[in-house]
Amino acid sequence: KNEVEQSPQNLTAQEGEFITINCSYSVGISALHWLQQHPGGGIVSLFMLSSGKKKHGRLIATINIQEKHSSLHITASHPRDSAVYICAVRRETSGSRLTFGEGTQLTVNP
Amino acid sequence: AAGVIQSPRHLIKEKRETATLKCYPIPRHDTVYWYQQGPGQDPQFLISFYEKMQSDKGSIPDRFSAQQFSDYHSELNMSSLELGDSALYFCASSLHNEQFFGPGTRLTVL
Repeated sequence: KNEVEQSPQNLTAQEGEFITINCSYSVGISALHWLQQHPGGGIVSLFMLSSGKKKHGRLIATINIQEKHSSLHITASHPRDSAVYICAVRRETSGSRLTFGEGTQLTVNP
Repeated sequence: AAGVIQSPRHLIKEKRETATLKCYPIPRHDTVYWYQQGPGQDPQFLISFYEKMQSDKGSIPDRFSAQQFSDYHSELNMSSLELGDSALYFCASSLHNEQFFGPGTRLTVL
């Protein structure tokens, strides 16, 4: 079992829909990152969370440390949101290296 | 704003050759991380440096070595290349905890 698991693995939505991607982890963490990877391969950091909730534009990220769970929400989704969304954690016992989930492939159709 | 720069962006090598990947962190960032992402896989941590010293080591083959220089840029040296080394190699930099990723170097070993 992976230390970081995401669901769903693939998600297809219509433009304008509200999207939720989930991340569960099984280890103690000091921070959780949400990353976006476009088809060209480049990775963009969206959020770094250690508690609570953060919002940036149409993106919202929440984390529940007790339940070892985080969600990434996209409101009013747009085709340009199509990408792979990756949850990555910084383990309490592994310094600052990141351990990655397998990613969620999001496709937003016009 | 300045981002993490990686060069080259694409590299094609033959088996048993050597390759050098370079990473230029965001100005004033003192920590550099290297990750390897194989085809269809999530990124795996290779090695990191803080203030020019190796700070953490992951699943980096003995054929690979890396260092961080006085200007904080880092180089990943890969020798005796194997077909399985074909991957996207990401560098990330940080000043405190949040990691910012470069665009990656896509290495193809023929």
